[in-house]
Amino acid sequence: DAKTTQPPSMDCAEGRAANLPCNHSTISGNEYVYWYRQIHSQGPQYIIHGLKNNETNEMASLIITEDRKSSTLILPHATLRDTAVYYCIVRVLNAGNMLTFGGGTRLMVKP
Amino acid sequence: GAVVSQHPSRVICKSGTSVKIECRSLDFQATTMFWYRQFPKQSLMLMATSNEGSKATYEQGVEKDKFLINHASLTLSTLTVTSAHPEDSSFYICSARRLAADNEQFFGPGTRLTVL
Repeated sequence: DAKTTQPPSMDCAEGRAANLPCNHSTISGNEYVYWYRQIHSQGPQYIIHGLKNNETNEMASLIITEDRKSSTLILPHATLRDTAVYYCIVRVLNAGNMLTFGGGTRLMVKP
Repeated sequence: GAVVSQHPSRVICKSGTSVKIECRSLDFQATTMFWYRQFPKQSLMLMATSNEGSKATYEQGVEKDKFLINHASLTLSTLTVTSAHPEDSSFYICSARRLAADNEQFFGPGTRLTVL
């Protein structure tokens, strides 16, 4: 799996959009970008994944650059419950192997 | 949606005792389950891969005789921490890989182990 780089921490005001960046410059053509988050003392939670087109679901939007070397996870209206560590992971779809977690970004949503 | 449970959610034990943690896939079958360990303010680290009906595969540095893994059915894997010591205190998380074309993985809520 390709390596990813994320800022260690970010703050966001409640109600504002949270934009979490991820660099994955060594991503291969068949690798997808996955995002998970981990709220304190809970297991990781799947958020979204994508290959090259932008994706949106009820939780977030994923913007992937045209060269696929970076992406941004967008939480459109952050709430206090979105405070968590967000992990960007690059892997082949349906690979079935274990997920490799980097350091992630600790997002603190403040009132 | 696919649900994975872990039991217990929290356990405190004395040094030298053994602790068993269960990981169950509640509404799907899982041929493979992964066990992770997470120390405070650190990321998840894979300990071992558990395959139904066969021996687990351990990551480098993880003692197989200390962390016993049993995957006896398609919905249950257990991790037993034998002769636990304070340094084994950690957050243990399992994930289950769904037996389906998507091979999607789902995480359990984790088990907080504290060894006194």
